[in-house]
Amino acid sequence: SALTQPASVSGSPGQSITISCTGTSSDVGSYNLVSWYQQHPGKAPKLMIYEVSKRPSGVSNRFSGSKSGNTASLTISGLQAEDEADYYCCSHADSSTWVFGGGTKLTVL
Amino acid sequence: EVQLLESGGALVRPGGSLRLSCAASGFTFSDYSMTWVRQAPGKGLEWVSIITGSGGDTYYGDSVKGRFTISRDNSKNTLYLQMNSLRVEDTALYYCAKGSGGHGCFDYWGQGTLVTVSS
Repeated sequence: SALTQPASVSGSPGQSITISCTGTSSDVGSYNLVSWYQQHPGKAPKLMIYEVSKRPSGVSNRFSGSKSGNTASLTISGLQAEDEADYYCCSHADSSTWVFGGGTKLTVL
Repeated sequence: EVQLLESGGALVRPGGSLRLSCAASGFTFSDYSMTWVRQAPGKGLEWVSIITGSGGDTYYGDSVKGRFTISRDNSKNTLYLQMNSLRVEDTALYYCAKGSGGHGCFDYWGQGTLVTVSS
């Protein structure tokens, strides 16, 4: 089953927002292999966070990740217009499979 | 520079078959697992399948298990997805993505190839 994300979040420029990603003990709760992807309209997903809280080279330090129990979170601080996009979490799961969240549309007001 | 280029998407009838390809460059292909992820029009991402670098192990999502087969040719730096018994609900943009070498994510993605299943 897909991980649970809020359908939408919004914030004003400069503010911080947090997107949650809730799974189960078979995925998020059991593995520190949660990643987050940003997708702009018509574009391929881009890796923003891996292993719960690590940032790939080139990703702004305004993006951070965390996890508690079965819920992972992505926080974007100092919101900018260019952050407006869809965001997806992804977790390793039992039986060597992977599961994505349903996606969250971020609107920068 | 890592590049992934998918091809093979087409319009196909329900029950039909299709093979997608993903040509990789810019990295040592055989060292990395590769995955297919799809996105139905206006919908979210759905993980489809993954294959280890050697090709020795493959895994599938429940919605495609028994119908799709992932494979790779490391001599050609190419990933494949054989899709059989296609259903209308398989209509999607299919992305190939590179595994990150044990870091539990997919660090490079192609631009996708569109599969439409319709009568």
